[in-house]
Amino acid sequence: EAGVTQFPSHSVIEKGQTVTLRCDPISGHDNLYWYRRVMGKEIKFLLHFVKESKQDESGMPNNRFLAERTGGTYSTLKVQPAELEDSGVYFCASSQDLRDRGLRGYEQYFGPGTRLTVT
Amino acid sequence: AQKVTQAQTEISVVEKEDVTLDCVYETRDTTYYLFWYKQPPSGELVFLIRRNSFDEQNEISGRYSWNFQKSTSSFNFTITASQVVDSAVYFCALSEEGYTGGFKTIFGAGTRLFVKA
Repeated sequence: EAGVTQFPSHSVIEKGQTVTLRCDPISGHDNLYWYRRVMGKEIKFLLHFVKESKQDESGMPNNRFLAERTGGTYSTLKVQPAELEDSGVYFCASSQDLRDRGLRGYEQYFGPGTRLTVT
Repeated sequence: AQKVTQAQTEISVVEKEDVTLDCVYETRDTTYYLFWYKQPPSGELVFLIRRNSFDEQNEISGRYSWNFQKSTSSFNFTITASQVVDSAVYFCALSEEGYTGGFKTIFGAGTRLFVKA
């Protein structure tokens, strides 16, 4: 079974440009999450999709960030315009919802991350 | 509120030394999950272990061991006979189940471990 994949693995852009990061979750995982680690700080939650709906976007830093998950499959995270402080590693994760089976899905599977460098 | 504290920012040891990475967490839930991840220089997050709140049994996996103490809200990680390849940033994390069946993970700030030859 394929894991969570992210594209690109590394992106270098100039301040003011736009970048779009993509995440493909594990097939069948309704829950998709974005996290990021910037400036060597802790990994912080950005937002959570349940299928195509944004369930929790409390961690989105500002309106320069736009996340979408059309069709409830892959997700994109667009940064427009990028600023220097956006540099970091952006992680995507996915998990199953097992409540209909009476189980608790407790595993988040993380992708390899996209390293974003804004110069 | 949920919180994960890794008080050690950086630790430097010499190869073959044992090292313990501390993790203290805060949560209001009675059911939660604790994790340790390793982030090597290549940047990816490598899953090391998951612990459920209702299972306080300590675990050993090769040179790695974990000590989960609910009474002190701690989940410490020990590497025995450290090796240079253990050099990485290690993150402790906490997840609580949301009402949609999804999990929001809160990470600690990470501990950077340097193992010198």
